[in-house]
Amino acid sequence: QQPVQSPQAVILREGEDAVINCSSSKALYSVHWYRQKHGEAPVFLMILLKGGEQKGHEKISASFNEKKQQSSLYLTASQLSYSGTYFCGTEGYNNAGNMLTFGGGTRLMVKP
Amino acid sequence: DVKVTQSSRYLVKRTGEKVFLECVQDMDHENMFWYRQDPGLGLRLIYFSYDVKMKEKGDIPEGYSVSREKKERFSLILESASTNQTSMYLCASSLGTSGRIDTQYFGPGTRLTVL
Repeated sequence: QQPVQSPQAVILREGEDAVINCSSSKALYSVHWYRQKHGEAPVFLMILLKGGEQKGHEKISASFNEKKQQSSLYLTASQLSYSGTYFCGTEGYNNAGNMLTFGGGTRLMVKP
Repeated sequence: DVKVTQSSRYLVKRTGEKVFLECVQDMDHENMFWYRQDPGLGLRLIYFSYDVKMKEKGDIPEGYSVSREKKERFSLILESASTNQTSMYLCASSLGTSGRIDTQYFGPGTRLTVL
């Protein structure tokens, strides 16, 4: 079952912050975040493993709450280059091999 | 630099045609994947392969088959294309030696239209 991302879309002004959430109905071993710019391939941002860790990539960070089966992506002081669609991919404990299950995506638009 | 290439960026086919989508990676990766991407549905896994001649069904394998005769090449086959297979198709690969899911590298995608 696909994880649920929220919001589906968000529009920001440059310098504003945003949070993208990813919720799963199953126990998770890890959460992966990807960003896809318009007309381009998705690009890996970060992996979060069980243990509630938080990771960062430039001014983008993320947290993983294993108990709640949720992950959040935090975009701080957004830049125009942050525009794109963000996908979370989840790995369960009973994964049949190297399969990620992706959410529906969150479309982020940063305006000047 | 990591590179995944797909044979076509755009493809238009007719209902009932057999369609081949090709993907090549130059990173000596073990795992390769085929996804389809539709608005609001994100990336859904069709098939993946963890070794030459090995394949596993993903979430939506119906109407598709795959072939992996060489490590670097993974083909997606639509035996008889239908209009509901109109979509963006993305290929990806990953190293595959860690035992868990690792970073996936995506190709630019093929936008397939079935008329």
